[in-house]
Amino acid sequence: KQEVTQIPAALSVPEGENLVLNCSFTDSAIYNLQWFRQDPGKGLTSLLLIQSSQREQTSGRLNASLDKSSGRSTLYIAASQPGDSATYLCAPRGSSNTGKLIFGQGTTLQVKP
Amino acid sequence: GAVVSQHPSWVICKSGTSVKIECRSLDFQATTMFWYRQFPKQSLMLMATSNEGSKATYEQGVEKDKFLINHASLTLSTLTVTSAHPEDSSFYICSATAGGHYEQYFGPGTRLTVT
Repeated sequence: KQEVTQIPAALSVPEGENLVLNCSFTDSAIYNLQWFRQDPGKGLTSLLLIQSSQREQTSGRLNASLDKSSGRSTLYIAASQPGDSATYLCAPRGSSNTGKLIFGQGTTLQVKP
Repeated sequence: GAVVSQHPSWVICKSGTSVKIECRSLDFQATTMFWYRQFPKQSLMLMATSNEGSKATYEQGVEKDKFLINHASLTLSTLTVTSAHPEDSSFYICSATAGGHYEQYFGPGTRLTVT
């Protein structure tokens, strides 16, 4: 059974800092992995999708890396802004065809102006 | 990106009544939809996987007779919470995908409060 752990659980930083959010998963037989953002009381916004054959994906100030064999992914946020404040969730998808995502508990980020 | 809507965005109902939540994919055909619930300050828990035209597959511990899921078309899935109780109060989120390994797109969620 896939288990996903995200560290740290919460993070508070001043504006402008570069951040690294960590995600680890127990079953490395994944098809891909998605990083999401969730604002309080809202649904999820997909940030990045990394296929199992890829090592990283970039979108603007966000860069996600994937080390499938060691069961780890990181989300790097460059030059953080107050608008980045949210909960960040990682979710690996199993290699079966069900498409199920298993979510970690998330990292709640607060960027102070 | 693709858009998924949910209706209603919030609902209050009395104990013992049933409530239906709709999930629609607005600009693509969703062969598979997923239903999640999320308690305060917790992550998403998958409840069931629904494929168009077939019965939903429920996760272990989820009562299929209590949480009725229908996926009658490629753009609509519904979740009906039957005989609701206060412990069913939660945030329900759906997601939709064009296929098993395609990206999942999430709806904005429905806040259910059972009094």
